[in-house]
Amino acid sequence: NAGVTQTPKFQVLKTGQSMTLQCAQDMNHNSMYWYRQDPGMGLRLIYYSASEGTTDKGEVPNGYNVSRLNKREFSLRLESAAPSQTSVYFCASSDRPSGNTIYFGEGSWLTVV
Amino acid sequence: KQEVTQIPAALSVPEGENLVLNCSFTDSAIYNLQWFRQDPGKGLTSLLLIQSSQREQTSGRLNASLDKSSGRSTLYIAASQPGDSATYLCAVYAGGTSYGKLTFGQGTILTVHP
Repeated sequence: NAGVTQTPKFQVLKTGQSMTLQCAQDMNHNSMYWYRQDPGMGLRLIYYSASEGTTDKGEVPNGYNVSRLNKREFSLRLESAAPSQTSVYFCASSDRPSGNTIYFGEGSWLTVV
Repeated sequence: KQEVTQIPAALSVPEGENLVLNCSFTDSAIYNLQWFRQDPGKGLTSLLLIQSSQREQTSGRLNASLDKSSGRSTLYIAASQPGDSATYLCAVYAGGTSYGKLTFGQGTILTVHP
């Protein structure tokens, strides 16, 4: 019953450092997403992958890159971290990108100092 | 631009009460609406999904209704329990060019005290 698994759970970065958040799902879902959650802003979509081999920008893509490595895995990379990227990051997946029930990971808490 | 508002922002009730959480959205052209639960330090769990052609969905003590024309949804929780304490979020999916994008409300923080 793993569902959507994210690593790491917590990370502290210095401004300018890079890092990659990993996400894997074991539900054979076609679509995967990365959201960020900030106080007062709610959840906002960073990038999504409708199916293996495709990725598209969401609402707040600046400063991030993604890779859909295979059907199971979708990673999010911060090339040069900034304090504004301090947030909680959630990976999610769904069977289709048509708003079907979406399953979330437990989140990755990232602090950029 | 779609905006989703949830009222109230926080709610504290004694155990056993029936309660209603509200969600409103500005653009009625939605494909579906989902209600989620989020426990502190955890991810979101989907509770109910209502397609645009449906009026309501039920799961156990939870009932969600959708009035697309007025841009409103309610989540009704019957006989609340302390274990229901969490943040409840609603999210709408517009479909079409909003491919894959959910628009979330800010959430209602629910506390059920014994």
